[in-house]
Amino acid sequence: QSALTQPPSASGSPGQSVTISCTGTSSDVGGYNYVSWFQQHPGKAPKLMIYEVSKRPSGVPDRFSGSKSGNTASLTVSGLQAEDEADYYCASYAGGSNVFGTGTRVTVL
Amino acid sequence: QVQLVQSGSELKKPGASVKLSCKASGYTFTRYPIHWVRQAPGQGLEWMGCINTNTGNPIYAQAFTGRFVFSLDTSVSTTYLQISSLKAEDTAIYYCAREIDTDGGDSWGQGTLVTVSS
Repeated sequence: QSALTQPPSASGSPGQSVTISCTGTSSDVGGYNYVSWFQQHPGKAPKLMIYEVSKRPSGVPDRFSGSKSGNTASLTVSGLQAEDEADYYCASYAGGSNVFGTGTRVTVL
Repeated sequence: QVQLVQSGSELKKPGASVKLSCKASGYTFTRYPIHWVRQAPGQGLEWMGCINTNTGNPIYAQAFTGRFVFSLDTSVSTTYLQISSLKAEDTAIYYCAREIDTDGGDSWGQGTLVTVSS
């Protein structure tokens, strides 16, 4: 199972929006509505930000939103804040297994 | 509250074995699978596999078959990851994580750093 493809980096100024893509195949992202997004700050464990493509766990700001089209899922962070600077990973169910994305470092300029 | 607490850092020589633990609390242990995730230094997350905490059945990602074994002890709500014939490239932080529930609840352990060095 190959890792899902994410851009290595993304950036935006405070208050702007940034969108991260996560491209897989019909065997993972495109085949199931089980895409999750995790945020990871340096030295910390990952934190769930989005699950089942577009659902937000309790406590996650509504600035974070997820979507999917075909084999590509996306995470949008609106109204960027300094604390959003982190690494972001997508993950997808792949029919009996799971796979993570390659990760995207988001920088708040 | 839901919590996963992992065992402490390990320093091992190549060829040795190590057994990591992940103790769950705050929920019914047998209700959700536990996943294991590896993160090598400066690298991304890799899904290693998961174990069904109700049946004990493990599922391993293709890259983690052979030297990696998941097990559990339901009497103490603990999951284990054993790695044998350790190699330098096994140096990483190993996380356990509870399956996401229907309300988006999940939990991650704090991670265990395994360093393999002669």
